[in-house]
Amino acid sequence: DTGVSQDPRHKITKRGQNVTFRCDPISEHNRLYWYRQTLGQGPEFLTYFQNEAQLEKSRLLSDRFSAERPKGSFSTLEIQRTEQGDSAMYLCASSAPGAGSPLHFGNGTRLTVT
Amino acid sequence: AQSVAQPEDQVNVAEGNPLTVKCTYSVSGNPYLFWYVQYPNRGLQFLLKYITGDNLVKGSYGFEAEFNKSQTSFHLKKPSALVSDSALYFCAVTPSGYALNFGKGTSLLVTP
Repeated sequence: DTGVSQDPRHKITKRGQNVTFRCDPISEHNRLYWYRQTLGQGPEFLTYFQNEAQLEKSRLLSDRFSAERPKGSFSTLEIQRTEQGDSAMYLCASSAPGAGSPLHFGNGTRLTVT
Repeated sequence: AQSVAQPEDQVNVAEGNPLTVKCTYSVSGNPYLFWYVQYPNRGLQFLLKYITGDNLVKGSYGFEAEFNKSQTSFHLKKPSALVSDSALYFCAVTPSGYALNFGKGTSLLVTP
């Protein structure tokens, strides 16, 4: 079990630029989740996949955000035309098949928009 | 709609004393309930979960939690706190068993 891997660990970008983050889940996990966490808050759900299918997307998620998991393995989260309010820690998690399986989180990608 | 409330921003306890971190929830149907811990500069780690069965569930590092359906609560407990337990604790709920809705977190400080 090598754990959930996220890349990069840190990203600094200027407002208006596009950014893309990558997440590699635990290999035998079929579900993959993206969350966002800001200082002093709990993780906020963004979206999740079962294999390559995106099953749920938060209504709070702007159209500037898009996530893919094309082959049911790694996933990417893209933010277009970044805004300062996008600055946060972006967390990826994966879980094994079965309802109630715990989510295993990566260490996150910290985004700073200047 | 589903929600989780952690009414305490911070809990302070002396080492060796019992600790409780509170969590209440609101969800349609039967909930799946979880506790996670976050140490500084580290990812969220799973502690324990309740799905069904015995209302008292045991988890990692000596933690346990009690599910109370009538009070819609799922408080985290430990009989004897350690300084190394100091961290941020998150309660989470899901009605579906999949995407979790987290509380805002409670900072636990255990003093020697």
